[in-house]
Amino acid sequence: QVQLQESGPGLVKPSETLSLTCAVSGYSISSGYYWGWIRQPPGKGLEWIGSIYHSGSTYYNPSLKSRVTISVDTSKNQFSLKLSSVTAADTAVYYCARHPIGGVLYFDYWGQGTLVTVSS
Amino acid sequence: AIRMTQSPSSFSASTGDRVTITCRASQGISSYLAWYQQKPGKAPKLLIYAASTLQSGVPSRFSGSGSGTDFTLTISCLQSEDFATYYCQQYYSYPPLTFGGGTKVEIK
Repeated sequence: QVQLQESGPGLVKPSETLSLTCAVSGYSISSGYYWGWIRQPPGKGLEWIGSIYHSGSTYYNPSLKSRVTISVDTSKNQFSLKLSSVTAADTAVYYCARHPIGGVLYFDYWGQGTLVTVSS
Repeated sequence: AIRMTQSPSSFSASTGDRVTITCRASQGISSYLAWYQQKPGKAPKLLIYAASTLQSGVPSRFSGSGSGTDFTLTISCLQSEDFATYYCQQYYSYPPLTFGGGTKVEIK
């Protein structure tokens, strides 16, 4: 059973960089699949941030692309999100998730999510 | 970007009701549509992919239909555990992957 677990600071100051990691268990990232990040502001809907293949190729949401970096560390079986120059609008629950095999980009496994608040 | 519009945004229903949620894409997406269920404080859960294929372990009272621009999620006999918010997501054209705004199903 694949499990994903987000980790990182719950509070980030405005203009700083948000950094989160998603640890994957029950499956080796290097074996394939795309892996993604999605966020959900409090009381609002879901927004896709970006996705990465085990080889390192990425897709980013154009609305966030200038501020987002997603990377993968196959040795640690985890992937990471960095979002720079954050503002209060980046306050959200951040989820990591897996896309199923075959390159079809819906999400079949999700982490539990982690709330990141941007505030001074 | 393909815009996904769900309707209604919320409604009330009773246990045992048959309910239908609609999702419309701003352009054709073939059958590249997924539906998710989200309960408060929890991550979304995949219900349906490819517009009508039930994810393993999902009760058969859930069904999906549609192709092109118009899609529906139907719950044939609403159970207490089905009160939640439902989202559609297109994966036909990206980036970006896009979600609908959500439909909240509340207890009448």
